[in-house]
Amino acid sequence: GENVEQHPSTLSVQEGDSAVIKCTYSDSASNYFPWYKQELGKRPQLIIDIRSNVGEKKDQRIAVTLNKTAKHFSLHITETQPEDSAVYFCAALPGGGSYIPTFGRGTSLIVHP
Amino acid sequence: DADVTQTPRNRITKTGKRIMLECSQTKGHDRMYWYRQDPGLGLRLIYYSFDVKDINKGEISDGYSVSRQAQAKFSLSLESAIPNQTALYFCATGMQGATDTQYFGPGTRLTVL
Repeated sequence: GENVEQHPSTLSVQEGDSAVIKCTYSDSASNYFPWYKQELGKRPQLIIDIRSNVGEKKDQRIAVTLNKTAKHFSLHITETQPEDSAVYFCAALPGGGSYIPTFGRGTSLIVHP
Repeated sequence: DADVTQTPRNRITKTGKRIMLECSQTKGHDRMYWYRQDPGLGLRLIYYSFDVKDINKGEISDGYSVSRQAQAKFSLSLESAIPNQTALYFCATGMQGATDTQYFGPGTRLTVL
């Protein structure tokens, strides 16, 4: 089955810095890669996603890049703000209509004012 | 996402007790999932259902059972709770044929003493 590794487990940055979280996956058939943000005490919510036919996707201060050859994808947050502090999860879904995601273990991002 | 609700939100119980966690959704989604979240372990899939007559085990189904009473309702049961089932439990929904995004409920914090 699919295996998703996520690094780092904790990331501490100063407000205004950039943050990068990386995930690797094992199943070359995976074709959908969402990122979820979970604020303290709240539910995970989708913030951005990318499909395997796209190399990069941006939405304001966040972007996701995908390298299918190397089987890794990354979340980039620019100009970080204290409200970006949360746990971020990556996930990978295989093709073929499985709809069963495999999640990374999460990255706790702390943005210091 | 207010369209996915979970009850109870918090529960404290004793070892050996039977517990049921309930999930309801008004999104009209056909797919429903139960996850368990433990610190540092991410989101692990317990059971999932793609329609009312479909029930599938996930990664960590031992000690749990589920019931899909209707398209909108998916319940998780712990037949005889044990302390290592203390965790945060999330229900999620998804829609076949649409995006692969999952929508999470607010979570149930379960403590087994």
